[in-house]
Amino acid sequence: EVQLVESGGGLVKPGGSLRLSCAGSGFTFVNTWMSWVRQAPGKGLEWVGRIKGRSEGGPTDYAAPVKGRFTISRDDLKSTLYLQMNSLKPEDTGMYYCATDIPGRPFDHWGQGILVIVSS
Amino acid sequence: EIVLTQSPDTLSLSPGERATLSCRASRSFVSDYLAWYQQKPGQAPRLLIYGASNRATGVSDRFSGSGFGTYFTLTISGVEPEDFAVYYCQHYGSSPPTYTFGQGTKLDIK
Repeated sequence: EVQLVESGGGLVKPGGSLRLSCAGSGFTFVNTWMSWVRQAPGKGLEWVGRIKGRSEGGPTDYAAPVKGRFTISRDDLKSTLYLQMNSLKPEDTGMYYCATDIPGRPFDHWGQGILVIVSS
Repeated sequence: EIVLTQSPDTLSLSPGERATLSCRASRSFVSDYLAWYQQKPGQAPRLLIYGASNRATGVSDRFSGSGFGTYFTLTISGVEPEDFAVYYCQHYGSSPPTYTFGQGTKLDIK
């Protein structure tokens, strides 16, 4: 069974940083593309960014609102995905989900989500 | 960038009724890359339909998807109490990365 478990969320001041983790199990993590998706309170879903698998060299892509501030990385030995968030803004507040991102497929599997609150 | 607009914003139905949710795209795209998700309060989204009309593993046959071009629908043949949730459509594609969601339709109990 595929499992994705996020951690690392919390309260941070505007301009601060936070690193989220997503531990994967039940599938071959090393070559699986992964994405982060977020959801502001009471709002819809917004794609944040993705990282390709090791066989492609692990390049990343980002949505415009986070480009230059957020960085996605992965540790395949630990089957863990990361989201480093810098220069955080109040509008970054929300639930952050990691999801499997197979080419040509939608997001088949999601983590339970982790809450990030950016507030002074 | 393709914009997806879902309608209605809220759909109020009684259990047993048929639900029809719509998703309209700002321009046409290959229907292979249209998905529907269900999200219940406090939970992550759950994939229901991919490729516009294919049910994901374990999804009840009450759910069906159709459409092509710019207009897609999700139909629930007879709404069950556990179906009351928010539903999102998504256009997805790998290159260039395309992961656009509609704003959601809330299905609630009448």
